[in-house]
Amino acid sequence: DGGITQSPKYLFRKEGQNVTLSCEQNLNHDAMYWYRQDPGQGLRLIYYSQIVNDFQKGDIAEGYSVSREKKESFPLTVTSAQKNPTAFYLCASSIMFGRGTEAFFGQGTRLTVV
Amino acid sequence: GEDVEQSLFLSVREGDSSVINCTYTDSSSTYLYWYKQEPGAGLQLLTYIFSNMDMKQDQRLTVLLNKKDKHLSLRIADTQTGDSAIYFCAESIDDYKLSFGAGTTVTVRA
Repeated sequence: DGGITQSPKYLFRKEGQNVTLSCEQNLNHDAMYWYRQDPGQGLRLIYYSQIVNDFQKGDIAEGYSVSREKKESFPLTVTSAQKNPTAFYLCASSIMFGRGTEAFFGQGTRLTVV
Repeated sequence: GEDVEQSLFLSVREGDSSVINCTYTDSSSTYLYWYKQEPGAGLQLLTYIFSNMDMKQDQRLTVLLNKKDKHLSLRIADTQTGDSAIYFCAESIDDYKLSFGAGTTVTVRA
């Protein structure tokens, strides 16, 4: 089955540690995105990638990093510089970059800092 | 502030119609979307409407767009318990992102 897989579903991190969230898609989509969701707020864009080996900062990129070495994979690292990392993280992909394209979402990773 | 605004909560009786409202700010948005999120899950695209349309109907879902007022609504007919979820309105911004509202939590009561 085609889709987007995020892992793990739940993640706990100690303060001061970096942690990497996985996102893999087998939809052959060029564009991939990372969003952060907090209660009572809309999704906010962290990073996006139009194509392999290229990525751009979104609205709240500080304290996060990404890589896009393969078309299928777009991992997100939450660094110790991110001051409030506890949130629900959603990865998405779309067939092309631009308006009017449907974004497919993964099931999300809930990150909790303990 | 938010580019897209929605009311946060809606309670509806099973079998009634639900209407979720949204206002957006970018008059150049070409596509507007409704996504559904069930508890602990990702977002699922329900429907979208192109900006040159006033209405789109898809089974129990009806989308109305008022471009002059920048107002979008989603009507769910014959609301069922499985429709309980968070519904997000979103608009295309520039060429690279969707701008989402905060989401409307719909609770269906028996």
